[in-house]
Amino acid sequence: NAGVTQTPKFQVLKTGQSMTLQCAQDMNHEYMSWYRQDPGMGLRLIHYSVGAGITDQGEVPNGYNVSRSTTEDFPLRLLSAAPSQTSVYFCASRRTGLGAEQYFGPGTRLTVT
Amino acid sequence: GESVGLHLPTLSVQEGDNSIINCAYSNSASDYFIWYKQESGKGPQFIIDIRSNMDKRQGQRVTVLLNKTVKHLSLQIAATQPGDSAVYFCAEKGSGGSNYKLTFGKGTLLTVNP
Repeated sequence: NAGVTQTPKFQVLKTGQSMTLQCAQDMNHEYMSWYRQDPGMGLRLIHYSVGAGITDQGEVPNGYNVSRSTTEDFPLRLLSAAPSQTSVYFCASRRTGLGAEQYFGPGTRLTVT
Repeated sequence: GESVGLHLPTLSVQEGDNSIINCAYSNSASDYFIWYKQESGKGPQFIIDIRSNMDKRQGQRVTVLLNKTVKHLSLQIAATQPGDSAVYFCAEKGSGGSNYKLTFGKGTLLTVNP
C-alpha cells in the first residue's frame, strides 16, 4: 500500500490564485481529513469526511472547499488564495471507530505571496 | 473550543536517558488520547494511544500515563535514542459519536544528544 499520498509537495501561489491540493489513500478508509500546521499552533482541522459524498467543517474551514466523490480521494480547494493560507497542509485517513490509527500524508508546503 | 497544551516546548536529553513529555488538556469529557511523533519534513506518525478508562498503557519503549483528576497526559520514552529526536504532539478526542475530530497540542521538540 502507498498509504496516504499528497501532491504537490511544494507550491507557491500569488494572492487571489486558486489551486487544488490532492490527497489519495489506498487503504479503503472511510474517514479522511485535512489539517493545516502553522508554527506554534499545532495541527488544526480544516475539513473532514466520514465517507464518499459526506463532508463537514472543522475548526478553520474558511477559504477552503472540499468534496469526496470517491472513497480514495479527498481534494482541498483554495478558491482565492490569501497570505494567511501560507502553511503546511496534511491530509489524513483512518477507519471509523474509536481506536483506529490515523495515518498522515507527507504534507504540502504552500506559500502565498 | 477546548484546547490541549504542553508544559514544555523543548526538551533536551542525553542518549540513553529516559524522556518524559507532558501534556495538559482542558476538556474533561475527552475519552481518547493519542501521542504523535513528527520528524522534520514529514507528517505526524502514531506512537501510542490511551482511552479514558485506562491510566497507563505501554508500548515498545514508550509508556503513556493519563491522570484524569488533573487532566494531564504524559509520554515516557525509555532509553532515548538519537532517532527519537522529533516534535511530539498529544491529541484528544471529545466524547460521543463516531466522529473523530482531534484537537492537537502545540508540540514539544525533543532533542537527543549523543
